[in-house]
Amino acid sequence: NAGVTQTPKFQVLKTGQSMTLQCAQDMNHNSMYWYRQDPGMGLRLIYYSASEGTTDKGEVPNGYNVSRLNKREFSLRLESAAPSQTSVYFCASSEAPGVGKNIQYFGAGTRLSVL
Amino acid sequence: DAKTTQPPSMDCAEGRAANLPCNHSTISGNEYVYWYRQIHSQGPQYIIHGLKNNETNEMASLIITEDRKSSTLILPHATLRDTAVYYCIVRTSGSRLTFGEGTQLTVNP
Repeated sequence: NAGVTQTPKFQVLKTGQSMTLQCAQDMNHNSMYWYRQDPGMGLRLIYYSASEGTTDKGEVPNGYNVSRLNKREFSLRLESAAPSQTSVYFCASSEAPGVGKNIQYFGAGTRLSVL
Repeated sequence: DAKTTQPPSMDCAEGRAANLPCNHSTISGNEYVYWYRQIHSQGPQYIIHGLKNNETNEMASLIITEDRKSSTLILPHATLRDTAVYYCIVRTSGSRLTFGEGTQLTVNP
């Protein structure tokens, strides 16, 4: 049981390049989330998907797009990377937004550097 | 969601109980207290949550004061592997997790 799998684990981009971070969960969860974590700080929500077919902005959505490809997969795209997007990106999933069912399970993270 | 206040750092001796406090004086009646931890460079890990009653699971105990304005996470026998940043989060059932800066717990041998 892999839980939440993120790829790649590490990535270096040049300013202006684009890339997609992949996330997949095998727990049959309805909700999925993307966070970023800058050095020494807590996590900030970028986008989330409460259920398949829906996506909503979080606290820091600018510069990102997301796709809920199916129930298992939720991708995060940087169309034109900027140095300010250097961060560690975490994907999470939860069963549903109800209490007890909204325990979020996190992936291992993608460490992104934009030069 | 209610704001939480946690000490930035704490130390604990290995084998002793670690008691991590959290103040959430503006908590409302339908908000739960959640605890997560993040071991260095890993994704956050759920520990426990509660509404008003004390809760215990295989990882920890959560003690919530009667007025619900504060809570304490207890790791009964801390080990070196419990060294991590611990996040106290207050939220309603449908709202999103908001991570603050947490408490850096260092367990010393």
